[in-house]
Formats: sequence, C-alpha cells, structure tokens
Amino acid sequence: EDQVTQSPEALRLQEGESSSLNCSYTVSGLRGLFWYRQDPGKGPEFLFTLYSAGEEKEKERLKATLTKKESFLHITAPKPEDSATYLCAVPLDLRGYNKLIFGAGTRLAVHP
Amino acid sequence: DGGITQSPKYLFRKEGQNVTLSCEQNLNHDAMYWYRQDPGQGLRLIYYSQIVNDFQKGDIAEGYSVSREKKESFPLTVTSAQKNPTAFYLCASSDRGYGYTFGSGTRLTVV
Repeated sequence: EDQVTQSPEALRLQEGESSSLNCSYTVSGLRGLFWYRQDPGKGPEFLFTLYSAGEEKEKERLKATLTKKESFLHITAPKPEDSATYLCAVPLDLRGYNKLIFGAGTRLAVHP
Repeated sequence: DGGITQSPKYLFRKEGQNVTLSCEQNLNHDAMYWYRQDPGQGLRLIYYSQIVNDFQKGDIAEGYSVSREKKESFPLTVTSAQKNPTAFYLCASSDRGYGYTFGSGTRLTVV
C-alpha cells in the first residue's frame, strides 16, 4: 500500500536550535516528493519538489533532501515565524496528472 | 494575481442539510481536486476532475458530490449522507505532472 509517514508528530524548538523533520514513504516507482508548509486555518503553501535521490533544495532556513526511502527537511537556526505544520506528499500517476498522497504532518513550534 | 478562491471560509450545517462549498481558480489549470483534512490525519482525496464535464471519485467520495461545468469552477456538495462532515476542506488545482496550488480552505461544522 502506498503510504507516507512523517515524524515526529510535533516538535518544539528554541529559536536558533536546528533540527530535522522526517518523511518516509512506501511507493513503487517514486515520481518525486513535495514539501508544503501549512499555517493554522490556511491552505498548504508549496515549498519544494524533489525528483531523485541525492537531490537537495534550499530556501532561506530550510533545506530538503531526498534518499530512496525518505526525505528530510532540515531547519537551520529557526525563528518563531517558522512555526507551522510541514506536510510532505508523494505523487501517484493519475492519467498524467498527480494524485498526491500526504503524510499527517509535523507541527513545529519555535519559541523565542 | 492567479490563485484559487474558496468560499465561504466558515460554514455551519444542520443535521440532514446539504451544503455546497465553492472553489474557483484563475490559473488555467486543467485538473482540480477536493481534499478533506482531519486533525492528526493526512489530507484525503474526495473527488478530482481533469477536464470539464468529467470527474472521478477519490478515496472517500461517499456522501459527497461535485460538478465541473466550467474549467474555472469545481464546487463540492456535502450531502446529508455524509455522517461525519465536520472537517477542513481544501480545494487544489494543478497542471499535468506538477504539484498542487491550494485554496485557503473552508471549515465545515455540524450544528
């Protein structure tokens, strides 16, 4: 069964304390992996797409990496404004379009 | 600016009542999707449409219905057959082979 699992469920950090979020998946024939950020009461906002093992992408304090079985979202020196739920998703082919399978997310709280 | 507009932001449904959630996009995307989000669970696909006048059931379609009469619009009706409709509903759109752009969501509560 195609499945995406994120850990931890929740993470509390002090401002400046770096950490990593994990996204593991069981899908056949990975066609990419997406990371989104979701603020409370809002829709997910796109962060990154990774297509192949070994690929890395960065945006401000965030860096996403991909292996054959999992992806990590590294947060370097986080600030309180990085507090949000981070979602990862893998695409299944839907007649040329993507059906995204989402993990349950990691709720990140960064305290000053 | 291009984007997806969902309305209303909050919706209250009485027992036995049908309600319709609106989703409009001006991104010229062919595909549109409806997801349901519950606390502690990943987003689950309700319905999707890749072309006007055609739509397909997702993983949890029971108690829901949709229409796609225009490329820009993909409304979702939550019928009285949906026994546990309280949730956060997200509409999304995409181009072929790409990720999604999401709307800001509608929170539905049964009263």
